[in-house]
Amino acid sequence: DAGVIQSPRHEVTEMGQEVTLRCKPISGHDYLFWYRQTMMRGLELLIYFNNNVPIDDSGMPEDRFSAKMPNASFSTLKIQPSEPRDSAVYFCASSFSSSIPGNTIYFGEGSWLTVV
Amino acid sequence: LAKTTQPISMDSYEGQEVNITCSHNNIATNDYITWYQQFPSQGPRFIIQGYKTKVTNEVASLFIPADRKSSTLSLPRVSLSDTAVYYCLVDTGRRALTFGSGTRLQVQP
Repeated sequence: DAGVIQSPRHEVTEMGQEVTLRCKPISGHDYLFWYRQTMMRGLELLIYFNNNVPIDDSGMPEDRFSAKMPNASFSTLKIQPSEPRDSAVYFCASSFSSSIPGNTIYFGEGSWLTVV
Repeated sequence: LAKTTQPISMDSYEGQEVNITCSHNNIATNDYITWYQQFPSQGPRFIIQGYKTKVTNEVASLFIPADRKSSTLSLPRVSLSDTAVYYCLVDTGRRALTFGSGTRLQVQP
């Protein structure tokens, strides 16, 4: 399996621009997660989906952030408009609900976002 | 939610055994203890998970005492490539995991 695939790997954009990050989870996984990592705040959960339905978006910082999962093999995280404080590494991850006994989450390599 | 506490950083030398201890005083009966590893410029990677006593795999061992209020990740004979951040997490069965600050392990030659 190719693992969780994210794109772009790196993006530099100007403040005010729209940013779209993309994710393809591992085939067969029914949970998808978006995390954000910064030096100051560490690894934060933004939102997660189960069977394409958002379950918990309480970690989404504000209305500028939105996430969708139109089908089982694709998700997007959008920031509009972007701000310099959004600069971070954004990780997508997926897991399989029937993993027993515990829950192993598989992370992608991240999308490194810089907003200038 | 069971909070975890682990050292911010540790230093070691190649060939040594490294033990990273994590405390989770409020762990619940059905919770599991899970450790992830994160290399620079990569996403976290699952290492090991346990409920009680000892678990061993090809990467590490996990020791959990009877009261389960702490756990110790043991890395045998570390190498430079084991330099990473190690996260201790309590898996409550909620599908999303909450990561703390982790322990930054630096292995020296």
